[in-house]
Amino acid sequence: AQKVTQAQTEISVVEKEDVTLDCVYETRDTTYYLFWYKQPPSGELVFLIRRNSFDEQNEISGRYSWNFQKSTSSFNFTITASQVVDSAVYFCALSEGHAGNNRKLIWGLGTSLAVNP
Amino acid sequence: GAGVSQSPSNKVTEKGKDVELRCDPISGHTALYWYRQSLGQGLEFLIYFQGNSAPDKSGLPSDRFSAERTGGSVSTLTIQRTQQEDSAVYLCASSSRLITDTQYFGPGTRLTVL
Repeated sequence: AQKVTQAQTEISVVEKEDVTLDCVYETRDTTYYLFWYKQPPSGELVFLIRRNSFDEQNEISGRYSWNFQKSTSSFNFTITASQVVDSAVYFCALSEGHAGNNRKLIWGLGTSLAVNP
Repeated sequence: GAGVSQSPSNKVTEKGKDVELRCDPISGHTALYWYRQSLGQGLEFLIYFQGNSAPDKSGLPSDRFSAERTGGSVSTLTIQRTQQEDSAVYLCASSSRLITDTQYFGPGTRLTVL
């Protein structure tokens, strides 16, 4: 069965600190996709990144970076030099990649990040 | 372009009443998903529509829940005889029909059952 675990329920940091959000997944499929979404206090889920199971290259986008390691079934998210605007709940999610089938997302419980000034 | 829209943004109802929640997906997106976000259960898949295919209803929690999608666009989620445990945020997402599609979410409808 598919499962996503975000072991960190809440994290609190001071502005400009680096912070890493952990995500561990389980799936029996060889083709799958991993996602990170941000949910700010306004409530709308904002897509951040998608990775497929065949691409283990790390990715950097501004202050955000993602480390995908199939050997440990992890897809961790690092925010460098955090800012108050990064305060949100961050969700990691998994979908299986069979074209044309339901690609429902299996979600972790989220990590609530508070960045304090 | 316009994103996914949902209405109403908030709905308060009495136990036992029926409610309808609406979702307008991104124009041209053929796939549409409903999820529920509640404090105790996190985010849960409810139902999936893809084009004119039969929907995947495997996530609906009971037969009080139903959904339809008219003309391959707008979708309505109906909850009959609401119960207090139905209180949650109902989220709609849409995606294009590409292999590496990504789901884009609407702002959600917060349902409170008194």
